[in-house]
Amino acid sequence: GESVGLHLPTLSVQEGDNSIINCAYSNSASDYFIWYKQESGKGPQFIIDIRSNMDKRQGQRVTVLLNKTVKHLSLQIAATQPGDSAVYFCAEKNIGDYKLSFGAGTTVTVRA
Amino acid sequence: DTGVSQDPRHKITKRGQNVTFRCDPISEHNRLYWYRQTLGQGPEFLTYFQNEAQLEKSRLLSDRFSAERPKGSFSTLEIQRTEQGDSAMYLCASSLTANEKLFFGSGTQLSVL
Repeated sequence: GESVGLHLPTLSVQEGDNSIINCAYSNSASDYFIWYKQESGKGPQFIIDIRSNMDKRQGQRVTVLLNKTVKHLSLQIAATQPGDSAVYFCAEKNIGDYKLSFGAGTTVTVRA
Repeated sequence: DTGVSQDPRHKITKRGQNVTFRCDPISEHNRLYWYRQTLGQGPEFLTYFQNEAQLEKSRLLSDRFSAERPKGSFSTLEIQRTEQGDSAMYLCASSLTANEKLFFGSGTQLSVL
């Protein structure tokens, strides 16, 4: 089956630096991509999403980039803060499907 | 609080017992999803409701699992004859349409002893 995965399971970042979290997907039929943040003991929290007709979308301190040619998705966090420490998941959805398919996640640790 | 609510937050049970979890979605959302998440992994899809109709079930949902959404509002997930392999976080999510982001609850952490 096709799946969404992340390049690195862990990422350590100095507070104040920018973070880049990468994700590769294999299903070219996917038309919707989304990033979630999950803190310990909590459910996934929406960060930002992007549709396949876009290649970049910006939110507050976050930017998602989509490269459909190489099936790559990234999340950039500007000026990383201690509160950004969490597990980050990318997820994708196929055209006409109901469900989001998640990768394994990247654990981000922010160093003071 | 107008988010997705799940109850209980934690459940410890003995192998072979039945358990039932409840999910209250965001009130105007007619789409409801159940996911399961094990330690270190991303959530895995279990089942999907549109209003009261269960439209999709994952092959992960064995015969021991049943989900209902009788009035198109809250949903229950029941696991019969629990096994140790059922230990996981059970997450509920809801969305307004099929093409929008899912809002997740805090989950029910199940431990089967």
